[in-house]
Amino acid sequence: GQSLEQPSEVTAVEGAIVQINCTYQTSGFYGLSWYQQHDGGAPTFLSYNALDGLEETGRFSSFLSRSDSYGYLLLQELQMKDSASYFCAVRDQDGGFKTIFGAGTRLFVKA
Amino acid sequence: KAGVTQTPRYLIKTRGQQVTLSCSPISGHRSVSWYQQTPGQGLQFLFEYFSETQRNKGNFPGRFSGRQFSNSRSEMNVSTLELGDSALYLCASSPGQQPNTEAFFGQGTRLTVV
Repeated sequence: GQSLEQPSEVTAVEGAIVQINCTYQTSGFYGLSWYQQHDGGAPTFLSYNALDGLEETGRFSSFLSRSDSYGYLLLQELQMKDSASYFCAVRDQDGGFKTIFGAGTRLFVKA
Repeated sequence: KAGVTQTPRYLIKTRGQQVTLSCSPISGHRSVSWYQQTPGQGLQFLFEYFSETQRNKGNFPGRFSGRQFSNSRSEMNVSTLELGDSALYLCASSPGQQPNTEAFFGQGTRLTVV
């Protein structure tokens, strides 16, 4: 089967750096993605990693280690508006293509 | 370019009834996926469709079904509703099946079963 593990909650201070980890177990792996969802809103795409290493997009970076089945999302210079839920997701091909999401990490940014 | 449109936005149904939810993907997108979201459970995969073909189905009972039309619009149906089916149902569209393709989500349909 497939499963993704990520912390349920993280709290950080405005201006700080926070890392949200994700470990996964899948039958076939086609990449790790990250999505952000504000309360009452739809999930929005943040980043995608297919190969090992770090991908940087502005204040957000995402890392992948396929040998460790592990990735993380790094948020720098935290702002209050970053308070949201963050989901890691893997593209799998077990019986056909599908994207599986983790349970999400709720990030609270404090002033 | 219009985004993903889900209708209705809110729905209240009684146990035992059935419901049909609709999703219109972004123009040109051929892949549509459906997810159930409940507090603390994240997004649970329901189905993925590509060019009218169901590519995969999640671990949900047979009461949950779906289809995709030739214009890529998709519907999902839940029959014999149970209280536990109360959730936000999200639809996501993407151009194709490529793994690096960003998925665009609709605002969802909030289903309440009473």
